[in-house]
Amino acid sequence: AQSVTQLGSHVSVSEGALVLLRCNYSSSVPPYLFWYVQYPNQGLQLLLKYTSAATLVKGINGFEAEFKKSETSFHLTKPSAHMSDAAEYFCAVSDPGGGSTLGRLYFGRGTQLTVWP
Amino acid sequence: DVKVTQSSRYLVKRTGEKVFLECVQDMDHENMFWYRQDPGLGLRLIYFSYDVKMKEKGDIPEGYSVSREKKERFSLILESASTNQTSMYLCASSLGGDGYTFGSGTRLTVV
Repeated sequence: AQSVTQLGSHVSVSEGALVLLRCNYSSSVPPYLFWYVQYPNQGLQLLLKYTSAATLVKGINGFEAEFKKSETSFHLTKPSAHMSDAAEYFCAVSDPGGGSTLGRLYFGRGTQLTVWP
Repeated sequence: DVKVTQSSRYLVKRTGEKVFLECVQDMDHENMFWYRQDPGLGLRLIYFSYDVKMKEKGDIPEGYSVSREKKERFSLILESASTNQTSMYLCASSLGGDGYTFGSGTRLTVV
């Protein structure tokens, strides 16, 4: 089975500061990788995904993530935090399915991002 | 946009009741999933399904069952609700490599 480790269950930044949320995965084959965001009392929303194309992936709301195979990492960054970025963020790795079918996702435990004014 | 609709946002049930959580998706996705989410534990997979009438156990299936009679609908059943099943339940669907689309979640309280 795949596994995902998110370093830091809570991250706090000031508005305008760099956001860096860390994610490391274990996978025996090239994986698909995802970042999701969850606002309070809502479901998870896809931020961005890596599916073996460009290693630097741009997502919604100014977020991006870089796939580094040598480090088995997929860290999420945003140059300048905004108050509206406060939410919980989840990194996920896929179980490679056969053909074009995406297998189940394995999620990290999440990182709560707090943005101070 | 793909929509995954969960029938209830908030639900309060009594211990021992049989509880049905419904999930419907409108984009002909083959794969559907049920997770529960608890603080500090992240998302844990209960059951999933890759096709109609097909189901597979996830990591924590005990106390739960599922039904998928139609492609668009995936139901989670708590056979006899217990207080330790108080949680946020999330349904998701997927097709190919695009990742999951989640519903808004059902916050279940068992009293």
